[in-house]
Amino acid sequence: EAGVAQSPRYKIIEKRQSVAFWCNPISGHATLYWYQQILGQGPKLLIQFQNNGVVDDSQLPKDRFSAERLKGVDSTLKIQPAKLEDSAVYLCASRSLRSGTGSTRTYGYTFGSGTRLTVV
Amino acid sequence: TQLLEQSPQFLSIQEGENLTVYCNSSSVFSSLQWYRQEPGEGPVLLVTVVTGGEVKKLKRLTFQFGDARKDSSLHITAAQPGDTGLYLCAGAVINAGKSTFGDGTTLTVKP
Repeated sequence: EAGVAQSPRYKIIEKRQSVAFWCNPISGHATLYWYQQILGQGPKLLIQFQNNGVVDDSQLPKDRFSAERLKGVDSTLKIQPAKLEDSAVYLCASRSLRSGTGSTRTYGYTFGSGTRLTVV
Repeated sequence: TQLLEQSPQFLSIQEGENLTVYCNSSSVFSSLQWYRQEPGEGPVLLVTVVTGGEVKKLKRLTFQFGDARKDSSLHITAAQPGDTGLYLCAGAVINAGKSTFGDGTTLTVKP
């Protein structure tokens, strides 16, 4: 199966400019996540979608970050205006949710290659 | 406060050596995943463990989930340069639909 597609791979912008990232998840994966990974740290969740609805955006800096998944398939993440501390890799992931007997198990993510953002 | 603590943060060893890295928390997880991430790429899933005390093997890699489902370890036997990378653990807290990641262990295996 095709993996999670992200674009662009790299982006360099000046502070206060805007930028957008695109993600196309694995076909059939209803759940989509955007993570921010700062150098030397693990990924931190920004937003989680289930189909085209937001499940969790509690860690999204809503004054400057926005995300949408209008048709429940691909998604865009936007930053406006960018700050120096937004320099990071932005990872998109999708997940297959499987049901077990009497309970629901969550299994691992499939990540895209990420977009490396540098704000100067 | 980091939900998942990984140790050591950095590890540099010679080819052929064995190693163990750890992932610890005070929270109970419904499942825990291990990933390996190479520079310029996204994390790649290695294994998912769901049952307390579970042990899974993937070639030279052995993964163990603690009996209380609060911690996990990854043991690599006879490490090779191709094992070099950032090893991340991620836990899904019971009844939550998302996983929280640790900050990883950066492993370097020298030829």
